[in-house]
Amino acid sequence: EDKVVQSPLSLVVHEGDTVTLNCSYEVTNFRSLLWYKQEKKAPTFLFMLTSSGIEKKSGRLSSILDKKELFSILNITATQTGDSAIYLCAVYGFGNEKLTFGTGTRLTIIP
Amino acid sequence: GAVVSQHPSWVICKSGTSVKIECRSLDFQATTMFWYRQFPKQSLMLMATSNEGSKATYEQGVEKDKFLINHASLTLSTLTVTSAHPEDSSFYICSASTEGAAKNIQYFGAGTRLSVL
Repeated sequence: EDKVVQSPLSLVVHEGDTVTLNCSYEVTNFRSLLWYKQEKKAPTFLFMLTSSGIEKKSGRLSSILDKKELFSILNITATQTGDSAIYLCAVYGFGNEKLTFGTGTRLTIIP
Repeated sequence: GAVVSQHPSWVICKSGTSVKIECRSLDFQATTMFWYRQFPKQSLMLMATSNEGSKATYEQGVEKDKFLINHASLTLSTLTVTSAHPEDSSFYICSASTEGAAKNIQYFGAGTRLSVL
């Protein structure tokens, strides 16, 4: 059974700090790993990673995948209060047409 | 782009009644739609996967007769919770994906909070 573990479960930092969120996984025939941001309602798509070592970047957010060690990290620099949310990591495996989600990291940014 | 609309956002019903939740892809054709359930402080649990024009595939432990899924068009899927009971109270959220390079990306609706009295 596919498994995704995120850490830490929750994180509280001050505005302006940099944070790193972790996601480790076990999946049969890995295809892709996705990061989502969930505020009050719908998760919004951030990144999809398929290849090791290639950083994906969007503004202050960046993410990278290590397929050898089976993990990914999501970095947020110069955090803002609007970054407060639950960050979800999910994986796809070949032949398993569904996403397996981790429990998420609840990030709180204090002004 | 890639907007998914889910309606209603919140519904309260009496025990024993049925509730229908709609999920629409507004600006793309959703070949596959997914229905999830989310309990407080827990992650998204997949209930079923539906492809347009075919029967939904339910996850283990999900009662197909209780959670009826219809995916009649490339832009609309519905989830009907039949004979709802208080234990069905939860946050239900749909997602949609399309074909091609973005096939693995699911775009989510805003969710429906169901409260069964």
